[in-house]
Amino acid sequence: GQQLNQSPQSMFIQEGEDVSMNCTSSSIFNTWLWYKQDPGEGPVLLIALYKAGELTSNGRLTAQFGITRKDSFLNISASIPSDVGIYFCAGQLGFGNEKLTFGTGTRLTIIP
Amino acid sequence: EAGVAQSPRYKIIEKRQSVAFWCNPISGHATLYWYQQILGQGPKLLIQFQNNGVVDDSQLPKDRFSAERLKGVDSTLKIQPAKLEDSAVYLCASSPEGSPYGYTFGSGTRLTVV
Repeated sequence: GQQLNQSPQSMFIQEGEDVSMNCTSSSIFNTWLWYKQDPGEGPVLLIALYKAGELTSNGRLTAQFGITRKDSFLNISASIPSDVGIYFCAGQLGFGNEKLTFGTGTRLTIIP
Repeated sequence: EAGVAQSPRYKIIEKRQSVAFWCNPISGHATLYWYQQILGQGPKLLIQFQNNGVVDDSQLPKDRFSAERLKGVDSTLKIQPAKLEDSAVYLCASSPEGSPYGYTFGSGTRLTVV
């Protein structure tokens, strides 16, 4: 089936640093979403992107929908301890109620 | 509003035993999903319900997995008999009909098959 590849697989950063991660697909998606998952919890939606080329911000988070509709990136500025977790991209062929195809995840760790 | 409720939170069973998980979606949400998340991977859709009808169950291993959503509200997912490779977190999610804003996940049930 379809698969989204995320990179890097893991990141070790210091508090205050900026973070960048991306997601690529072999096929086109019409909606891209970014989720964060904390240990023992379900994924929580961070940002949703609906148009190719769209750049959207949510506080310290910024995400862009690639122009080819086959990729997306997520940036986190000035990281804080609560940013620790696993970040997943997810694609939808449509939007709303359609199934999500998740990426492989990027694990973010903040070094004291 | 209350979130998506799942129970139990943890379950340990032996292979070839049966197990059932329960999900109560957010009130009024027409669409309910069950995802399987194997350790180190992203969630994968098992089945999607719209009210009490199945929309997509193409990835559900129907020889051992079954799911139902009676009266279009609560849902149960059953595995019978369980295999070692079924060890995973089973996530339930729900969304209102027509919403463009993604959906809300529960905290999941962690299943360990020994």
